[in-house]
Amino acid sequence: DQQVKQNSPSLSVQEGRISILNCDYTNSMFDYFLWYKKYPAEGPTFLISISSIKDKNEDGRFTVFLNKSAKHLSLHIVPSQPGDSAVYFCAAYSNFGNEKLTFGTGTRLTIIP
Amino acid sequence: EPEVTQTPSHQVTQMGQEVILRCVPISNHLYFYWYRQILGQKVEFLVSFYNNEISEKSEIFDDQFSVERPDGSNFTLKIRSTKLEDSAMYFCASSDNRQALYEQYFGPGTRLTVT
Repeated sequence: DQQVKQNSPSLSVQEGRISILNCDYTNSMFDYFLWYKKYPAEGPTFLISISSIKDKNEDGRFTVFLNKSAKHLSLHIVPSQPGDSAVYFCAAYSNFGNEKLTFGTGTRLTIIP
Repeated sequence: EPEVTQTPSHQVTQMGQEVILRCVPISNHLYFYWYRQILGQKVEFLVSFYNNEISEKSEIFDDQFSVERPDGSNFTLKIRSTKLEDSAMYFCASSDNRQALYEQYFGPGTRLTVT
C-alpha cells in the first residue's frame, strides 16, 4: 500500500534557510492532508493540515502547498531552526469509507547550526 | 496543554502471552484510535473506536486484537497471544471533532517487544 509516499528519507538544511519536504499521493479521494513531526521516543505531533479544496495553508513558519493535479504536497519551513530537527510524516485522510490516517514513510530533517 | 498519555512506555513479553496497552485520551475527545509502527516501516492504522464500539478496523486488527474503554478515561488495546511480528511501537490517538476527524492527537507510544 503506497498511497502516500515520501521519497526523500533524509534532508539536511542550514539553520535560517528554507526546508522543503515533499510528499506524493496516489488516491484522488483524499480530502485532507496533514504533516506530523516526530521526535525520538515521542508520538507524532500534529503540525498543519490542508483541505483538498485549497492549495495553500500557512501557520507561522510552516506553509503547506497542495498541487492536486500533480497529487503532490510540500511543507515549507522558513526560517529553519535547530528545534525543527525531527522526522516529518505526511498523512492523508478521506471522509468516505474509513476514519484512518494513511501515513508516508517519513523524512528525517536535520538542521545544521 | 492536554495530551494523550500511554502506559507502559516499554513492554517486553514472551511469545504467546497476552498484553494490554493502556491509553488515556484527551479528556473531552470522543474518537479514539490505535496505530502501530514496526521498526523502519510506516505508521499503520489498526482501529478506530467511538461510542463504545469499533467504527473501523484494518486487516491487521484480527481476532487476536481487541479494544475496550473500561471506564471514562482509559482506552486499552489487548493482544491475546502475542507473536514475534507484533513487536512495534503502538500509538494511541484521539480526536474531538466529528467535522475534523483527521486532526488526531497522538500519545508518546508503547514499545512492545515480543521475544
